[in-house]
Amino acid sequence: NAGVTQTPKFRILKIGQSMTLQCTQDMNHNYMYWYRQDPGMGLKLIYYSVGAGITDKGEVPNGYNVSRSTTEDFPLRLELAAPSQTSVYFCASSYAGWQPQHFGDGTRLSIL
Amino acid sequence: TQLLEQSPQFLSIQEGENLTVYCNSSSVFSSLQWYRQEPGEGPVLLVTVVTGGEVKKLKRLTFQFGDARKDSSLHITAAQPGDTGLYLCAGVMNRDDKIIFGKGTRLHILP
Repeated sequence: NAGVTQTPKFRILKIGQSMTLQCTQDMNHNYMYWYRQDPGMGLKLIYYSVGAGITDKGEVPNGYNVSRSTTEDFPLRLELAAPSQTSVYFCASSYAGWQPQHFGDGTRLSIL
Repeated sequence: TQLLEQSPQFLSIQEGENLTVYCNSSSVFSSLQWYRQEPGEGPVLLVTVVTGGEVKKLKRLTFQFGDARKDSSLHITAAQPGDTGLYLCAGVMNRDDKIIFGKGTRLHILP
């Protein structure tokens, strides 16, 4: 079972570059989430989606964009990378908002 | 702002010892989830507690949901190096089914 798959696993960007972090799930979950986790810290919610075509901001959305054109995919876009966006990014999914979340293995992103 | 506070933030103990970590809030939750995150991986669900006062056991781990559904504890008996990781609690809000995560307790078991 693939579950939640994130690509790439590692990436180094220069300041001002852009990139898309990919996330796909094969569990037919309605809800998908993007979190960032800074070293030694917990999870901060960036954006979430309750279904295809619907997205909403979380706690720290500035500097990021998302789209949800299909149930399976929830890409996260960084338009102008900044050093403050150096972090580990986790994508998660769940069948409903109250149900446990299934996490991917993360994308480790460094902005230099 | 709803807060879910976890304590302690860090805990380093010897193999074989017992420990308890806590998850507290002023908010009432419809349920509470505990996750463990190992280095280099995403969090993985350990257990969900739903009923006030509920106790669930998972081998050497015992989870308890407070009677008022505002707090929870995780007790580990005879800790082993394999228990090392970040333990996150997550509460499901009563009114809108949204989940909020605590900042976690980072546990290190010394062999």
